[in-house]
Amino acid sequence: GAVVSQHPSWVICKSGTSVKIECRSLDFQATTMFWYRQFPKQSLMLMATSNEGSKATYEQGVEKDKFLINHASLTLSTLTVTSAHPEDSSFYICSAMHRDSRNEQFFGPGTRLTVL
Amino acid sequence: GQNIDQPTEMTATEGAIVQINCTYQTSGFNGLFWYQQHAGEAPTFLSYNVLDGLEEKGRFSSFLSRSKGYSYLLLKELQMKDSASYLCAVRDPNDYKLSFGAGTTVTVRA
Repeated sequence: GAVVSQHPSWVICKSGTSVKIECRSLDFQATTMFWYRQFPKQSLMLMATSNEGSKATYEQGVEKDKFLINHASLTLSTLTVTSAHPEDSSFYICSAMHRDSRNEQFFGPGTRLTVL
Repeated sequence: GQNIDQPTEMTATEGAIVQINCTYQTSGFNGLFWYQQHAGEAPTFLSYNVLDGLEEKGRFSSFLSRSKGYSYLLLKELQMKDSASYLCAVRDPNDYKLSFGAGTTVTVRA
């Protein structure tokens, strides 16, 4: 149990376009999901906390108008990178918090974004 | 603020033991996690400590001392597949956010 999926696993896009990444909890309900970004040879940096039915809360320095988060259901959160630029190229990882499992975060497999 | 420190790299021989230390100074504490991450993949859960002491799980063990702000992950009988990055993370008690250390890259040599 406690499986989290992400789609797509990788995406290449042109500068200026928008990219949507989906995060799904497959076998449990998650009122809270987290979005992380990881640059090469660096650790995970939390971007935002996604709460079902309410607005996401963003970490300091993360532009909320650039990284749009929608958590419309208890099993799905989406991250849209708007007007992507090459510096947005990174590994984006989501996690879903499982309340019945000591509030542990279960991570998705990640999405590799490359902006040309 | 959150400050989590761990060594950048460690190298060990197949079959040996390696200990990865993690020290933390955080505004709150609700448990410490260790994750393994292979290149290009998401982190996978290894261990969780919220009380002082040693938690053993097969070849991997994790220790916590809350008074010292210190944890270690012990990898025994190292195998080549253990070559990976190991991440130490502290959970916030108020919002359950995880703060990650920079990760320790372990290289296992034959």
